[in-house]
Amino acid sequence: KQEVTQIPAALSVPEGENLVLNCSFTDSAIYNLQWFRQDPGKGLTSLLLIQSSQREQTSGRLNASLDKSSGRSTLYIAASQPGDSATYLCAVPPGGGATNKLIFGTGTLLAVQP
Amino acid sequence: DAGVTQSPTHLIKTRGQQVTLRCSPKSGHDTVSWYQQALGQGPQFIFQYYEEEERQRGNFPDRFSGHQFPNYSSELNVNALLLGDSALYLCASSRTGGSHEQYFGPGTRLTVT
Repeated sequence: KQEVTQIPAALSVPEGENLVLNCSFTDSAIYNLQWFRQDPGKGLTSLLLIQSSQREQTSGRLNASLDKSSGRSTLYIAASQPGDSATYLCAVPPGGGATNKLIFGTGTLLAVQP
Repeated sequence: DAGVTQSPTHLIKTRGQQVTLRCSPKSGHDTVSWYQQALGQGPQFIFQYYEEEERQRGNFPDRFSGHQFPNYSSELNVNALLLGDSALYLCASSRTGGSHEQYFGPGTRLTVT
């Protein structure tokens, strides 16, 4: 059974700092991995999708890496800003096939202090 | 290009009542999934609809049911509401044959008193 863990649960950094969020999954046979951002009480915004054949994806100040063999993904945020404050969630489909069902971690709550 | 939309935004119901939540997928998407997110937790998969049929289901009782219409929009129905059903209900859509990237709506906040 696929399980997703995110460490740390919460993180507070000063503005301008580079930071790394971690995501671990127990079954390495994943089809893809998706990172989301969630503002308080709001829906999820898709940040990056990494296919199983890819090692990393970049979008602006965000870079996500994937190491299937070790069951890990990291989300790197460069030059953090107060507007980056939110909960960051990673999610994978169960099993190695294409499916729209996602298994989520509990998220990392990020606070960027001005 | 409209993203995923959900209605209503907020809803307050009493234990034992029934509720219907609605979702319109992103333009060009044909698959809709529903998730329940309790406070401080990650979303939990309820079920997925494609071609007007339930295709996958998570570990939720049959009090939770759904429907998909020919225009790909979807409804989530919950009967005999319990206090524990209070949560943020999220709808996600994707395009079959694509990358399976999921796009989420803003959610419906359900409070059961």
